[in-house]
Amino acid sequence: DAGVTQSPTHLIKTRGQQVTLRCSPKSGHDTVSWYQQALGQGPQFIFQYYEEEERQRGNFPDRFSGHQFPNYSSELNVNALLLGDSALYLCASLLLAGEPKYFGPGTRLLVL
Amino acid sequence: AQSVAQPEDQVNVAEGNPLTVKCTYSVSGNPYLFWYVQYPNRGLQFLLKYITGDNLVKGSYGFEAEFNKSQTSFHLKKPSALVSDSALYFCAVRDMAGGGNKLTFGTGTQLKVEL
Repeated sequence: DAGVTQSPTHLIKTRGQQVTLRCSPKSGHDTVSWYQQALGQGPQFIFQYYEEEERQRGNFPDRFSGHQFPNYSSELNVNALLLGDSALYLCASLLLAGEPKYFGPGTRLLVL
Repeated sequence: AQSVAQPEDQVNVAEGNPLTVKCTYSVSGNPYLFWYVQYPNRGLQFLLKYITGDNLVKGSYGFEAEFNKSQTSFHLKKPSALVSDSALYFCAVRDMAGGGNKLTFGTGTQLKVEL
């Protein structure tokens, strides 16, 4: 069992660009949650996907969007990147009725 | 809105001594509380959770947490600290509104265990 995987591990973009981050959940899990962890801060909930639909959303602008595929993997897309989007992006894998016990290693995004 | 607070940015403790990492919470309704640990350049690892029942919750790696309703606290404890316990610790609360499972995290406490 590979656990939760995320790609890429690191990414450097410039302001205004777009980025796509990917997450594959733990085997048997059907729900993916995305969190943003800025330097020195706790993770903040972006949104959650289940059955290929966004089920919950945190206080993030529409520049942040996502997708879930039939195999339960998920993408996080961020458009019009700002310097403040630089952070570690974490993906959590869970069952819809459960809690996020399993997190991926994260993708560290640097926006220059 | 649900929230948790971690009042200490850093906790230093000698190896072999007991450790406590503090967390207080503010929720409407019954709290669902969690502790996670984060090692450098790694994701979060689940340590333990409190939903209901015994106020002392046992978790991974010898950690435990004490739930105190009157003080709205959920402090993480370990009887004997190891140097390998040095890491960033996060307290979190689950937002149960609408049957959801969004977590709200504290700002984290850096634990440093010294020889």
